[in-house]
Amino acid sequence: DAMVIQNPRYQVTQFGKPVTLSCSQTLNHNVMYWYQQKSSQAPKLLFHYYDKDFNNEADTPDNFQSRRPNTSFCFLDIRSPGLGDAAMYLCATSRDGLAEETQYFGPGTRLLVL
Amino acid sequence: KQEVTQIPAALSVPEGENLVLNCSFTDSAIYNLQWFRQDPGKGLTSLLLIQSSQREQTSGRLNASLDKSSGRSTLYIAASQPGDSATYLCAASYGGATNKLIFGTGTLLAVQP
Repeated sequence: DAMVIQNPRYQVTQFGKPVTLSCSQTLNHNVMYWYQQKSSQAPKLLFHYYDKDFNNEADTPDNFQSRRPNTSFCFLDIRSPGLGDAAMYLCATSRDGLAEETQYFGPGTRLLVL
Repeated sequence: KQEVTQIPAALSVPEGENLVLNCSFTDSAIYNLQWFRQDPGKGLTSLLLIQSSQREQTSGRLNASLDKSSGRSTLYIAASQPGDSATYLCAASYGGATNKLIFGTGTLLAVQP
């Protein structure tokens, strides 16, 4: 049973054209994370939500925004994608964001920018 | 700066062989160390999580160890199978408000039939 769902699995967009990636979860977890993983690189945290509280990583570009309308859903908005934003975007959840908790990852959305 | 390194970047072994994947971290004040598996084009599947107070964790053919003082973790895979072929990533958690995971770049494992 899918617990963290990401749509679409593959997304192609044009340079500068806004794009939105979607993540949903059936775990009723309080915390949702967005990671960016470029080719052959380690996943890197962009931001996370604890419930409705948004927490941005210091080095996340302003081009990246996020919305969490309810517990189950979280969106990643890229306002003006550049070629360097092509990557796998991974959504993850944890119950309360505590260090002893496992983070559960979705299958990812692979973004291609033309 | 908190960094995680995995060596080797790629490994190829014949089926049935036991193998060890290595992970090192620069800041030993970790809360836990987690090992993930990533199949090509897919997301991450959690394999094992070792708390800082633990020395090892086992699940089936997998055994992960943690040595905080030396800044190292290993993932031991016994009797490897072609289905074990994937990228294995380790990630360190330093707790705090974010509980951000610091990932290594992974080891690409190929088990040859």
